[in-house]
Amino acid sequence: EAEVAQSPRYKITEKSQAVAFWCDPISGHATLYWYRQILGQGPELLVQFQDESVVDDSQLPKDRFSAERLKGVDSTLKIQPAELGDSAMYLCASSLEQISYEQYFGPGTRLTVT
Amino acid sequence: GQNIDQPTEMTATEGAIVQINCTYQTSGFNGLFWYQQHAGEAPTFLSYNVLDGLEEKGRFSSFLSRSKGYSYLLLKELQMKDSASYLCAVSRYNQGGKLIFGQGTELSVKP
Repeated sequence: EAEVAQSPRYKITEKSQAVAFWCDPISGHATLYWYRQILGQGPELLVQFQDESVVDDSQLPKDRFSAERLKGVDSTLKIQPAELGDSAMYLCASSLEQISYEQYFGPGTRLTVT
Repeated sequence: GQNIDQPTEMTATEGAIVQINCTYQTSGFNGLFWYQQHAGEAPTFLSYNVLDGLEEKGRFSSFLSRSKGYSYLLLKELQMKDSASYLCAVSRYNQGGKLIFGQGTELSVKP
């Protein structure tokens, strides 16, 4: 069964350092999402791509976060510099189309900023 | 804006039935989703409701009332492996596939 791949699974970094997360969606899925989930809360959308284009990045802290999906396949989310409040699970999800009702989530990257 | 409310935690007994409620207030409501998330793992899709009524899928059922802004997830014949967080999420017509999640309900199933 096809799955969304993410790496690394865990990342510990010091504040002010740069971190990057990678996501490979299910083959053929045009829509890719990055969510952030703080412990005890539901996921919150950071950025949504349709192919290589950003559809929604209204909740992305653009002063420190950036995301790209250059060839419309895999994607990278970067934080520079990391802050203590960035400690969270970063989830990548993909769906066949924007309005597709089922989003498939990857295993996530657990980020701890010290 | 939007607001999604669900209980923070619930406890139930193995073999029993439990109902997890979700209320929402949002403009442009399109559909409501339920996801299951085990600790430290990714959410997995359970159900999707866009029309009023009950959708049944094995031991899990989901209900939606659009006029009342209300949904519930019903879990029957509870098993220990059902201990997890259950996330209610809504989508809106003018926001593509973006999901807005509630905080999740932590369900503990006891023997």
